[in-house]
Amino acid sequence: AQTVTQSQPEMSVQEAETVTLSCTYDTSESDYYLFWYKQPPSRQMILVIRQEAYKQQNATENRFSVNFQKAAKSFSLKISDSQLGDAAMYFCAPAGGTSYGKLTFGQGTILTVHP
Amino acid sequence: DTAVSQTPKYLVTQMGNDKSIKCEQNLGHDTMYWYKQDSKKFLKIMFSYNNKELIINETVPNRFSPKSPDKAHLNLHINSLELGDSAVYFCASSLNFYSYNEQFFGPGTRLTVL
Repeated sequence: AQTVTQSQPEMSVQEAETVTLSCTYDTSESDYYLFWYKQPPSRQMILVIRQEAYKQQNATENRFSVNFQKAAKSFSLKISDSQLGDAAMYFCAPAGGTSYGKLTFGQGTILTVHP
Repeated sequence: DTAVSQTPKYLVTQMGNDKSIKCEQNLGHDTMYWYKQDSKKFLKIMFSYNNKELIINETVPNRFSPKSPDKAHLNLHINSLELGDSAVYFCASSLNFYSYNEQFFGPGTRLTVL
């Protein structure tokens, strides 16, 4: 079974600044994927970025990047040049191994962006 | 073109009633899911169907019954509604359960039980 911990219930950042959201997980699987989803006030769940555990290179998607530390089981999300539209709840979720496509979500981190 | 749609978006009902939530995806995906998001925003999977076959059935009261008439549809029927069933229910789909693909979520159905 996979467990996920997001230790920051809330974070805030100034517009145009950089913020990092942390996520740690526990899994006995060797082949798995990690996802970050965001949920803005509209409550729509939107994929932000994904990382394959077998890849050493950290995933990036425009202003979003991850710091994946496999040995430490850490998967943090960095948001650069923060924008007002980044304000949302962010969820970390591993999947894969014998769980296949089953996502196990963390508790979420609420991100506030100040103008 | 909505990829994953749910109806209704809001549902208010009395304790003891029976209600259904419908979900449809037009992405051609094989796998569909139901998630429950509680008042603390915690998201937990309830059910998953792959090619109309039930493959995930988490610890959920048997008052909840999913039904997949075809690959594009997954409905959730809830009998004898209780106050604790109040939550947001999300439907999602992915290309194939065994390929670790991205899940696409519907807009959610906010269920309020009075």
